[in-house]
Amino acid sequence: DAGITQSPRYKITETGRQVTLMCHQTWSHSYMFWYRQDLGHGLRLIYYSAAADITDKGEVPDGYVVSRSKTENFPLTLESATRSQTSVYFCASTRTVYNEQFFGPGTRLTVL
Amino acid sequence: GQQLNQSPQSMFIQEGEDVSMNCTSSSIFNTWLWYKQEPGEGPVLLIALYKAGELTSNGRLTAQFGITRKDSFLNISASIPSDVGIYFCAGSSGNTGKLIFGQGTTLQVKP
Repeated sequence: DAGITQSPRYKITETGRQVTLMCHQTWSHSYMFWYRQDLGHGLRLIYYSAAADITDKGEVPDGYVVSRSKTENFPLTLESATRSQTSVYFCASTRTVYNEQFFGPGTRLTVL
Repeated sequence: GQQLNQSPQSMFIQEGEDVSMNCTSSSIFNTWLWYKQEPGEGPVLLIALYKAGELTSNGRLTAQFGITRKDSFLNISASIPSDVGIYFCAGSSGNTGKLIFGQGTTLQVKP
């Protein structure tokens, strides 16, 4: 199906491990975003990308790395997971900066 | 940084009642968006507002972009049980596409 997908949907890992969350969209949207959602904080932007090979930090980028070698994919990597990174992660995309963002179903990550 | 204050934080209402929630910002936005999130899913766009003073409806939902460009409200008329969820406002002020989200309003509807 066309749209925006995330994998895995659920992940449990241990402190210090590297974890990569995948995001794939089929709309050829230029802009893609990663958010984390925590109780009491709503949705906070981690990183975003305006196009392939162009990325920039959001509000809470520390501990995360992104890449965008292809327009349709925007993986988020936690290089050394910490308990504070336990959260629900959402990927989103939009065609232009003036359009609404469309969200994926989310990945629930637990760091033990 | 920019902040959005969304209120109320939660609402518990009777089916058939009207609902109103709002967001205010400390700075000017040029786009306001309203999303709904259901358990285990990502936010889904309800209404997008692009012009100060704009009033837009989507079925039983009505949203307005405040004249000052620092606020927006969402009304739901004649609520039904499937309106249950978390409603988020989001604003954008620049040309990066970045959104700032409110804390969310949790709506519960009693049949």
